[in-house]
Amino acid sequence: GAVVSQHPSRVICKSGTSVKIECRSLDFQATTMFWYRQFPKKSLMLMATSNEGSKATYEQGVEKDKFLINHASLTLSTLTVTSAHPEDSSFYICSARDEFPGKETQYFGPGTRLLVL
Amino acid sequence: GENVEQHPSTLSVQEGDSAVIKCTYSDSASNYFPWYKQELGKGPQLIIDIRSNVGEKKDQRIAVTLNKTAKHFSLHITETQPEDSAVYFCADKSLNALWGKLQFGAGTQVVVTP
Repeated sequence: GAVVSQHPSRVICKSGTSVKIECRSLDFQATTMFWYRQFPKKSLMLMATSNEGSKATYEQGVEKDKFLINHASLTLSTLTVTSAHPEDSSFYICSARDEFPGKETQYFGPGTRLLVL
Repeated sequence: GENVEQHPSTLSVQEGDSAVIKCTYSDSASNYFPWYKQELGKGPQLIIDIRSNVGEKKDQRIAVTLNKTAKHFSLHITETQPEDSAVYFCADKSLNALWGKLQFGAGTQVVVTP
């Protein structure tokens, strides 16, 4: 299957600092990427849809000033958690949509474990 | 799109037996149904998918069936092995879904005991 990478795989930061997570599609171009948050033993909660060259579309209840998304190229989207607090600690996962005709499939990255102290 | 219900939430099977997970969707415009396997601490991995113009698809020990009339689809794992232990998520995508967003089920924790 297609490969999507995330960096870092895990990060610990102090409360009040900002953390940037990168998501890259390694073998296809993705005009659309998605950012999810997952709580322990729960399903995937979509935070926002990242579109190359335009503003991200946020799901209801997700603070756009808190979770900054930038999709600067067809292979890279970044999520920045600004002024992180302990309640932001979670597992963040991105996915990239392969839009080649006949594929139209989402592939997920390995996830980033964020711990805010 | 809309809601996807997934059952059971947990499933314990003996090695070698079969496992079946069922999902029900409500949006008649749904046309794509992927299944993902998520191991502990990792991202979900696409294991099989089916589109609405097909009733069944098989890949080695994994198969998916789709009943459009009843609006449900199922994942079948035969000859289960310990490495099949994971959380499995079903999802669907509606023709009307903005950006091709997927709607996920709540997940099924599968435990295969040797």
